[in-house]
Amino acid sequence: DTAVSQTPKYLVTQMGNDKSIKCEQNLGHDTMYWYKQDSKKFLKIMFSYNNKELIINETVPNRFSPKSPDKAHLNLHINSLELGDSAVYFCASSQDVLAVQFFGPGTRLTVL
Amino acid sequence: QKEVEQDPGPLSVPEGAIVSLNCTYSNSAFQYFMWYRQYSRKGPELLMYTYSSGNKEDGRFTAQVDKSSKYISLFIRDSQPSDSATYLCAMRFGGATNKLIFGTGTLLAVQP
Repeated sequence: DTAVSQTPKYLVTQMGNDKSIKCEQNLGHDTMYWYKQDSKKFLKIMFSYNNKELIINETVPNRFSPKSPDKAHLNLHINSLELGDSAVYFCASSQDVLAVQFFGPGTRLTVL
Repeated sequence: QKEVEQDPGPLSVPEGAIVSLNCTYSNSAFQYFMWYRQYSRKGPELLMYTYSSGNKEDGRFTAQVDKSSKYISLFIRDSQPSDSATYLCAMRFGGATNKLIFGTGTLLAVQP
């Protein structure tokens, strides 16, 4: 299936741990994004990459580090996890920086 | 005050009703307006995409944008139980940026 996919779907971990979330798109898109959706369903952009280059970097703690090994992949690494990091993280992609964004299924992160 | 305001609901309607979902925004520089539908535990999916003021229709869905009032609406005709979801409005500025600003979403329940 052509889509934006994320792994894992669920992630439960302890405070202080380091974890990664992976995203892959097989739509041939040039631009990828990470969003965070909090418990009140508010969806906020964190990062955007275009052709492996960082183009949007919102005011996110530097414990969050995105990495784009190629145009089809955008991973999110989180160091020293905190309780407030618990949320659903969505990856998205678009044909280019101005095109419509397509979202992945989300990764539900719970920090205990 | 958030840049984009949306009544969180929940909004409960009987099957077949016309549903009106609304967002207001504060920044007159927004140029592109979108509505996403998000089923429980899924990623947002794009429903409607409009540029500037006016109406756009797609099947049972009509999107309206009134830039003078900084107000956008999504109408759903002949609502179905399968329309039960959270509806998120989103908007972005013109120019070379694809940073989307989302509303907090309205939870809609269509009762059979």
